[in-house]
Amino acid sequence: GAVVSQHPSWVICKSGTSVKIECRSLDFQATTMFWYRQFPKQSLMLMATSNEGSKATYEQGVEKDKFLINHASLTLSTLTVTSAHPEDSSFYICSANSGGESTDTQYFGPGTRLTVL
Amino acid sequence: SQKIEQNSEALNIQEGKTATLTCNYTNYSPAYLQWYRQDPGRGPVFLLLIRENEKEKRKERLKVTFDTTLKQSLFHITASQPADSATYLCAQNSGGYQKVTFGTGTKLQVIP
Repeated sequence: GAVVSQHPSWVICKSGTSVKIECRSLDFQATTMFWYRQFPKQSLMLMATSNEGSKATYEQGVEKDKFLINHASLTLSTLTVTSAHPEDSSFYICSANSGGESTDTQYFGPGTRLTVL
Repeated sequence: SQKIEQNSEALNIQEGKTATLTCNYTNYSPAYLQWYRQDPGRGPVFLLLIRENEKEKRKERLKVTFDTTLKQSLFHITASQPADSATYLCAQNSGGYQKVTFGTGTKLQVIP
């Protein structure tokens, strides 16, 4: 149980284009999901908290107009990187909490590798 | 501001020995600390959670301790195996429901 998937697993795009990444909780409902970014040899940095049915909460320094988050249902959150540039190239990972006994544990997706040319 | 630090960037250990990884936090004690394993190009996988009022928790070959006096958590892998080679991340709750902050990780290499 508590499986989180991401799609695509990797994407290469041209500078200036937009890329959408999907995060799904497969066997549970998640009112809250989290989006992280991880640069090589660095730890996960929280970008934003995605709330079902309401606006996302962004961390300081993260541009909300550049990283659009939509939490349309209890099992799906999407992150759209708008007008992507090479410096946006990174590993993007989402997570969700499955509730129940493990209310404090987050389950992570496999990540999406974004490369902007 | 609250910080969480894993001082060892890398740790090499002989197969069969016990690996010990350290996580230190500053200022106030978090309500809980978590340990995750991350393999290259993959998302983190949850291993153990230990709460502020718990001194020790075990799961198979894994053991985690929480010392609020030293502001430290230790993560032990006994009888280490090459398959244990990975980056291990500690994380603390950082305000807000379910929100966590991660340390920089320790890359463990178990040598056959």
